[in-house]
Amino acid sequence: AQTVTQSQPEMSVQEAETVTLSCTYDTSENNYYLFWYKQPPSRQMILVIRQEAYKQQNATENRFSVNFQKAAKSFSLKISDSQLGDTAMYFCAFMPWGHTGTASKLTFGTGTRLQVTL
Amino acid sequence: DGGITQSPKYLFRKEGQNVTLSCEQNLNHDAMYWYRQDPGQGLRLIYYSQIVNDFQKGDIAEGYSVSREKKESFPLTVTSAQKNPTAFYLCASSDQGWRSGYTFGSGTRLTVV
Repeated sequence: AQTVTQSQPEMSVQEAETVTLSCTYDTSENNYYLFWYKQPPSRQMILVIRQEAYKQQNATENRFSVNFQKAAKSFSLKISDSQLGDTAMYFCAFMPWGHTGTASKLTFGTGTRLQVTL
Repeated sequence: DGGITQSPKYLFRKEGQNVTLSCEQNLNHDAMYWYRQDPGQGLRLIYYSQIVNDFQKGDIAEGYSVSREKKESFPLTVTSAQKNPTAFYLCASSDQGWRSGYTFGSGTRLTVV
């Protein structure tokens, strides 16, 4: 079974600054996908960024980027130029790849609550 | 616009009652999922379904039941056997290209009164 650990329950960052959220995972799989989801106060889950484990290049989506270290089983999220709208709960998630069928289960971490301040 | 609709947004249940949470998607996705969210515990998988008339238990299926009679619909019933049903429930779906992750509904907050 896979486990996902987010060791920072809460973080705070000032507007326009950079913040990094940590995520580690444990798996025996070699091929998998990793995701960061954002859950703002509306509680709608929004996909922020995803990373394929077979790709060495770190994924980037505008102000969001990841530092994927496969050997260390680490998948941190960096938010640059933080904005007030980034205030949310952030979840790291793991999905194994290559299983039969169309459903593949996402395993989530416990989340990091990020507060962006003025 | 395509998406997932969960209803109701808020639901109150008396102890001993069964309640059903609705989840409908018009994304033509094959797979659908139900997650439960509690403070400090992240999201935990209750049930999932890959195709119509097929579903599998997740990590915390006890006290819950589902059906998948139509591709678009995946209702979740919280039975009286669920000891602590007060939580936020999220429905999600994914297509054959599940590598892109899930699409989530806006959730249902269930409270036992």
